[in-house]
Amino acid sequence: SQKIEQNSEALNIQEGKTATLTCNYTNYSPAYLQWYRQDPGRGPVFLLLIRENEKEKRKERLKVTFDTTLKQSLFHITASQPADSATYLCALDNGDDKIIFGKGTRLHILP
Amino acid sequence: DVKVTQSSRYLVKRTGEKVFLECVQDMDHENMFWYRQDPGLGLRLIYFSYDVKMKEKGDIPEGYSVSREKKERFSLILESASTNQTSMYLCASRTGTGGWETQYFGPGTRLLVL
Repeated sequence: SQKIEQNSEALNIQEGKTATLTCNYTNYSPAYLQWYRQDPGRGPVFLLLIRENEKEKRKERLKVTFDTTLKQSLFHITASQPADSATYLCALDNGDDKIIFGKGTRLHILP
Repeated sequence: DVKVTQSSRYLVKRTGEKVFLECVQDMDHENMFWYRQDPGLGLRLIYFSYDVKMKEKGDIPEGYSVSREKKERFSLILESASTNQTSMYLCASRTGTGGWETQYFGPGTRLLVL
């Protein structure tokens, strides 16, 4: 079955540095990959979508890459701020009309 | 902006009670979903619906049922609540089933079953 792994449960980054989160998947080749942000006690909020034929997508301080050979997506936050602290989820379509989610990485930006 | 609302933010129920969780979306989305989220387990799909009166089981449907009588409303029912159903419940909706479609989530209902 389709499996998504996000590299770590928690990540601590110093304010101002670039945070890099990893999402790996197996057993399928999704045409799209999405990233969501979730704050404590809240529902996830969509951030970015990247297509399989796009190597990179940017939105303000966010950058997502999609390497279909490695079956991996990287999510970068540049010039990180304490307000970026949250859980980040990657998600992909499983070809069966559903989006499946990774378990998320809790990011802490340390002031 | 798409808005997905859930009937309660916090709910405390007793074992054996029947529990209704309601979700309403205001953007005429075809698809609606119910997930539960537990520490270390991530988001797990309980049920989803492609259209009014249609429902499909997700990965963990046992102990749950759903109802979709109107397009904008999707209800999750715990027929006889048990302590292992204590969790955060999240409703979501999206326009269609394509992989490019993003999901819009409600704020969640934190359910405690005593």
